[in-house]
Amino acid sequence: DIQMTQSPSSLSASVGDTVTITCRASQSITKNLNWYQQKPGRAPNLLIHAAFILQSGVPSRFRGSGFGTDFTLTISSLQPEDFANYYCQHSHSIPWTFGQGTRVEVK
Amino acid sequence: QVHLQESGPGLVKPSQTLSLTCTVSGGSISSGGYYWNWIRQFPGKGLEWIGHMYYSGDTQYNPSLESRVTISADTSKNQFSLRLTSLTAADTAVYFCARSPFVVAAPFDYWGQGTLVTVSS
Repeated sequence: DIQMTQSPSSLSASVGDTVTITCRASQSITKNLNWYQQKPGRAPNLLIHAAFILQSGVPSRFRGSGFGTDFTLTISSLQPEDFANYYCQHSHSIPWTFGQGTRVEVK
Repeated sequence: QVHLQESGPGLVKPSQTLSLTCTVSGGSISSGGYYWNWIRQFPGKGLEWIGHMYYSGDTQYNPSLESRVTISADTSKNQFSLRLTSLTAADTAVYFCARSPFVVAAPFDYWGQGTLVTVSS
């Protein structure tokens, strides 16, 4: 299985900050990497697919980058509604796996 | 707008079999171009992909669960189902159904709300 490792596991930030979450794959997954946001009691919501493509309806302050094994999710000008959990997920080979998650909380 | 809704028992006894159904509206599971997935989230928040099916009946499963899982469809009802056997407490989780299109990275673009399944005697 390809292991996905996110860092940090949690971070504290303020409204208006720029935050960066990283996701590292245990082997190359080219650009088969997706990012999700999850709020308590809700299903995950797709933010970014294929490493950098912004899902329709997602604000442009979310940006994805990377290729191969190293990927980042950057949230610019953090908004109150962005405090949530974030997960990366690969679909390069079976089984598809998720990172362990990053919690973005209010400083 | 595509909508997915899970249904099934909330409490199952150890060693028994779990059966969940995902009802899809706003799109046909028979139209092709999508995988229909089951995913679960454990109480500690970790997410695990269980497997998926294509409308043709082709399936792929997580090897860690392959001996216990079956995903199938009832196209007349526009539903697909999960069957998981030999349950233990470790199978306690929120179970989601989700769609993934045949595009690069096949992201999960629509999800059900999830249903909590507790395995306990």
